[in-house]
Amino acid sequence: DVKVTQSSRYLVKRTGEKVFLECVQDMDHENMFWYRQDPGLGLRLIYFSYDVKMKEKGDIPEGYSVSREKKERFSLILESASTNQTSMYLCASSFGEQYFGPGTRLTVT
Amino acid sequence: QKEVEQNSGPLSVPEGAIASLNCTYSDRGSQSFFWYRQYSGKSPELIMFIYSNGDKEDGRFTAQLNKASQYVSLLIRDSQPSDSATYLCAVDLYGSARQLTFGSGTQLTVLP
Repeated sequence: DVKVTQSSRYLVKRTGEKVFLECVQDMDHENMFWYRQDPGLGLRLIYFSYDVKMKEKGDIPEGYSVSREKKERFSLILESASTNQTSMYLCASSFGEQYFGPGTRLTVT
Repeated sequence: QKEVEQNSGPLSVPEGAIASLNCTYSDRGSQSFFWYRQYSGKSPELIMFIYSNGDKEDGRFTAQLNKASQYVSLLIRDSQPSDSATYLCAVDLYGSARQLTFGSGTQLTVLP
């Protein structure tokens, strides 16, 4: 079974804080993704990576950055959290079909 | 026009009925098609994928693909209340082996 884990299920941060969300997969997948999901807006792709140290912008990269130093780990960074970044963040990994982690519900106050 | 479009729902069916979920996509070059189920507050879970025209069955689920019509559907037979969830269609638009484009989802409620 593919396993994708995310560092936190729930997170509360203050405006202006730097936030790290981590994702780890155990299937040696090359591709990893970060999405956010908001009611009425569906899944929106923030960044993805198809190899170590490689990254590509998705549809809504503004305000985010990513890091992939090891194949199994893909981190999403909010450099200065803002209230409009309150959302459910979903990590996925793939070799064809995508498998999702459990999600991190981030609240920025 | 959205690139991956699902019928808006919400869709309600009685327990034991067949639920039919539909998805259209914009690009003829797409090769891979996926259905995900997402319970409220949870992450999407892959339930089926299909690559070839025709039907693919897995238990109570059948995925149907018609590339000429750019249409993929999911049938759930003998629907159960536990099938109540949002169903997301995902497509590798333009034949991208790396990215999927997701529809906005159809919310299904199975009434006991």
